[in-house]
Amino acid sequence: GAVVSQHPSRVICKSGTSVKIECRSLDFQATTMFWYRQFPKQSLMLMATSNEGSKATYEQGVEKDKFLINHASLTLSTLTVTSAHPEDSSFYICSARDILTGYGYTFGSGTRLTVV
Amino acid sequence: ELKVEQNPLFLSMQEGKNYTIYCNYSTTSDRLYWYRQDPGKSLESLFVLLSNGAVKQEGRLMASLDTKARLSTLHITAAVHDLSATYFCAGGGAAGNKLTFGGGTRVLVKP
Repeated sequence: GAVVSQHPSRVICKSGTSVKIECRSLDFQATTMFWYRQFPKQSLMLMATSNEGSKATYEQGVEKDKFLINHASLTLSTLTVTSAHPEDSSFYICSARDILTGYGYTFGSGTRLTVV
Repeated sequence: ELKVEQNPLFLSMQEGKNYTIYCNYSTTSDRLYWYRQDPGKSLESLFVLLSNGAVKQEGRLMASLDTKARLSTLHITAAVHDLSATYFCAGGGAAGNKLTFGGGTRVLVKP
């Protein structure tokens, strides 16, 4: 089945630094990928839709200058958290759908970001 | 804009008994998804329901969809400890491609 690889799984960074998270579709091409954020004991909140070769579409309230998304190829999307602060600490999850084989969305394994 | 509401938010189950999680959504949704999440982990796909009356079963879990009532249910038969997790439903996935998640139901199965 479709596999989405997400790295790193955990990252601790200092306040004010930037962190890049990668999301790769391993055995299919994904023109669209999705980035979610999940706070403890809460649901997933969509941050942005990443479109290959074009600008990402951000959800209301998500700062596009803070959460930079790049989708340079059909198999790779990256999320960069710039000038991270402790309130950005969260679980970030990407997902993609292989539209050629079905309707299901596959999720990456998630990245636990801790900003100290 | 699609809104998805799950209830209950927390469900304490006894092993061997049956339970149901409900998922209501506000507007037309082309499809309905169910996912499982274990603590500290990402989401695992359980079911995709594509049409009115759709019913899918896997082991002790059965999901159904009633598009007229805008309701999906996840039924757990004879709960076992291994089913302890958080379950999410999500709608959408059509033209806009994005999913909208319910708040999740945390399930704890006690012996």
